[in-house]
Amino acid sequence: NAGVTQTPKFRVLKTGQSMTLLCAQDMNHEYMYWYRQDPGMGLRLIHYSVGEGTTAKGEVPDGYNVSRLKKQNFLLGLESAAPSQTSVYFCASSYPRAQPQQPQHFGDGTRLSIL
Amino acid sequence: RKEVEQDPGPFNVPEGATVAFNCTYSNSASQSFFWYRQDCRKEPKLLMSVYSSGNEDGRFTAQLNRASQYISLLIRDSKLSDSATYLCVVNYNQGGKLIFGQGTELSVKP
Repeated sequence: NAGVTQTPKFRVLKTGQSMTLLCAQDMNHEYMYWYRQDPGMGLRLIHYSVGEGTTAKGEVPDGYNVSRLKKQNFLLGLESAAPSQTSVYFCASSYPRAQPQQPQHFGDGTRLSIL
Repeated sequence: RKEVEQDPGPFNVPEGATVAFNCTYSNSASQSFFWYRQDCRKEPKLLMSVYSSGNEDGRFTAQLNRASQYISLLIRDSKLSDSATYLCVVNYNQGGKLIFGQGTELSVKP
């Protein structure tokens, strides 16, 4: 059981380049999330999805887009990368709100550097 | 005011010590509470959920005080392997979103 898998694990981009981060989960979770973590800032929610075909903005959505075409996958896109987007990105998934005590399961993270 | 606030630490304690972390949250409608552990440059992992009546898991005890809107984590008989950052997490039950505190760093020394 792989859980939550993120690809790639590391990436270096130049300013203005675009890329897509992939998150895949095999736990049949309805909810999926993308966070970024910066030193001293904790985890901040970028976008999230409560089901296939639906997405919503989180705390820091600017400069990112997401898509949830399949239940098991949640894609995070950077259309024009900026140095301020250098961060560690975590994807997570969880069961829906009917089970409010259910925690989130995290992927290993993607370390992204924008030069 | 941040929605979830923690003492950032670091807490430097000797092996065998008892250490307590506190966390406050701003939304009185919050329904679910967790403590996560994060090792350096790794993903957060669930340590324990926090229930209204308080709960214990081995050396770890979590307490919830809804009236004062704070959560605590007590670690007894600290081990070297307990060294990590501990994240206080609150679920507002709005689409399953979790709000993370900035974390409290713990360093257990021999």
